[in-house]
Amino acid sequence: NAGVTQTPKFQVLKTGQSMTLQCAQDMNHEYMSWYRQDPGMGLRLIHYSVGAGITDQGEVPNGYNVSRSTTEDFPLRLLSAAPSQTSVYFCASRGQGYGYTFGSGTRLTVV
Amino acid sequence: AQSVTQLDSQVPVFEEAPVELRCNYSSSVSVYLFWYVQYPNQGLQLLLKYLSGSTLVKGINGFEAEFNKSQTSFHLRKPSVHISDTAEYFCAVSDLGSGGGADGLTFGKGTHLIIQP
Repeated sequence: NAGVTQTPKFQVLKTGQSMTLQCAQDMNHEYMSWYRQDPGMGLRLIHYSVGAGITDQGEVPNGYNVSRSTTEDFPLRLLSAAPSQTSVYFCASRGQGYGYTFGSGTRLTVV
Repeated sequence: AQSVTQLDSQVPVFEEAPVELRCNYSSSVSVYLFWYVQYPNQGLQLLLKYLSGSTLVKGINGFEAEFNKSQTSFHLRKPSVHISDTAEYFCAVSDLGSGGGADGLTFGKGTHLIIQP
């Protein structure tokens, strides 16, 4: 099925560990973005990309890195995980029609 | 900078009753507006969006919203709710309409719609 695929669905990390959250879309969308969802906070934009090779920071970028080497993939890297990064992470993509398609999320716990 | 305020964190409604979920935004540029629904342990699904044109926007599942520029509001309505409408609803804004080159959405904190039988 066409859409946005996020892996893994669940992850537990120890403080200081690194990991990469994967996001792939098969709709040939130019625009992709990462959000974190915390209770009572809604979703907040971490990083976004307007095309392969072009990324920029959102509202809460600290502690996260991104790159966009292909149109399909937009991985989110945590270099040194902290308990404050415990959250549910969503990846989204859109084409020219402005309707963002969201993945099903990655639930990350940092202990 | 832009922001979104969802005035109610929780709205209980009886089944088959009408409902309105309120959303106000602030922005210094032209904006696009969205409503998303999130069912438990799932991602977000687009209900409807306003880009331009008619201020009354119809979406999926019988929902509609009205853009009011003077009141900077984009309230979501449904004339008769069903148990299956129980979910979290998010209002979001984007400044894509300003052509500034940025991307992504600014979300409100969400409204939990609870349908009571």
